[in-house]
Amino acid sequence: GQSLEQPSEVTAVEGAIVQINCTYQTSGFYGLSWYQQHDGGAPTFLSYNALDGLEETGRFSSFLSRSDSYGYLLLQELQMKDSASYFCAVNQGGKLIFGQGTELSVKP
Amino acid sequence: DAGVTQSPTHLIKTRGQHVTLRCSPISGHKSVSWYQQVLGQGPQFIFQYYEKEERGRGNFPDRFSARQFPNYSSELNVNALLLGDSALYLCASSFIPRSQETQYFGPGTRLLVL
Repeated sequence: GQSLEQPSEVTAVEGAIVQINCTYQTSGFYGLSWYQQHDGGAPTFLSYNALDGLEETGRFSSFLSRSDSYGYLLLQELQMKDSASYFCAVNQGGKLIFGQGTELSVKP
Repeated sequence: DAGVTQSPTHLIKTRGQHVTLRCSPISGHKSVSWYQQVLGQGPQFIFQYYEKEERGRGNFPDRFSARQFPNYSSELNVNALLLGDSALYLCASSFIPRSQETQYFGPGTRLLVL
């Protein structure tokens, strides 16, 4: 089967750093994507890792270890607007297999 | 430039009815994918189309069907609706169906089956 595991909820304070982990078991793997979704709106692309290592985009960074089938999303300098659901997704030739999502709550 | 658009935004149907959802990809994008998102879960892949051909199908019953038109827009059809079909239906587009290509999602159609 195919599965991705990520924590269901994470809480952090404004200005802090938070890491959202994702482990996956899939047949066929081309990369790991991260998406943000506010209140059931359109998922928004954040980052994509095809190779091991760290990708940095502004306040967001994403890491992948293919040997460990593990990745994480790192959010720095948290802002209230970062409160949302975050999904990791295995990318198989454009077909995305999503995890259940992590609901991030940022407190003042 | 317009993003991915979907219509309608909301829909209420009763069990046994049929529904058609529509998606227009970003201009220049040739690949469209459909996802179903039940409340509290991640989106689940339903179909992927590229150049009017079906490129992939998720684990959904035959009641679900889709097609892509020459202008790359797409329709998702669901027959014999069940209560469990109530969900947010998302459409995503990309230039080509390749892992390195970012998929851009539309705002979704929220379907309620009574």
